[in-house]
Amino acid sequence: DAGVIQSPRHEVTEMGQEVTLRCKPISGHNSLFWYRQTMMRGLELLIYFNNNVPIDDSGMPEDRFSAKMPNASFSTLKIQPSEPRDSAVYFCASSLEWRTGADQPQHFGDGTRLSIL
Amino acid sequence: GQQLNQSPQSMFIQEGEDVSMNCTSSSIFNTWLWYKQDPGEGPVLLIALYKAGELTSNGRLTAQFGITRKDSFLNISASIPSDVGIYFCAGTGMYSGGGADGLTFGKGTHLIIQP
Repeated sequence: DAGVIQSPRHEVTEMGQEVTLRCKPISGHNSLFWYRQTMMRGLELLIYFNNNVPIDDSGMPEDRFSAKMPNASFSTLKIQPSEPRDSAVYFCASSLEWRTGADQPQHFGDGTRLSIL
Repeated sequence: GQQLNQSPQSMFIQEGEDVSMNCTSSSIFNTWLWYKQDPGEGPVLLIALYKAGELTSNGRLTAQFGITRKDSFLNISASIPSDVGIYFCAGTGMYSGGGADGLTFGKGTHLIIQP
């Protein structure tokens, strides 16, 4: 079975440009998460969706960041305008919906390595 | 926000040795997870723990959910070269209702194995 698919794998762009990261969750999973990984701060949750609805975006660093999930099989994370400090690896993860008190583990994609010059 | 303290930060061991790492938190967690990350890849789930006191094994890996819900450990027995990587603990807090919850991650333990 296909895992979480992210694109692009690598992105290098100049500051001020718009960046769009894409994610296709595992089929049947109805929760989707965006994380950012840096050396200094480790892995941080940015935002997550349940059934395509944003639940918690308190981790989104600034208004320059936005995320959408127009349907169950696709999500985007957009940065506009981008800045050098946004350089990081961005991961998407998906899981089945929480139910009956047992959490459903999250499965991660291979990430997008973003470099803003 | 919630924080996880993971230790040690790095480990240099000989092949064949056993490994032990742990995570602690000042607040209660509802779920503890252990992930491994290889260079250029996303974290891969190793073990998931859902109940306080739970002890779970996955091959040479064993993990426990602390009885206080504030800690967890991961043991690797008889380490082999492919165990090299970064190991992360992660957890979710107490639920306020239905729906999934984002993970809080530890800073990771870098495992380096010398042949």
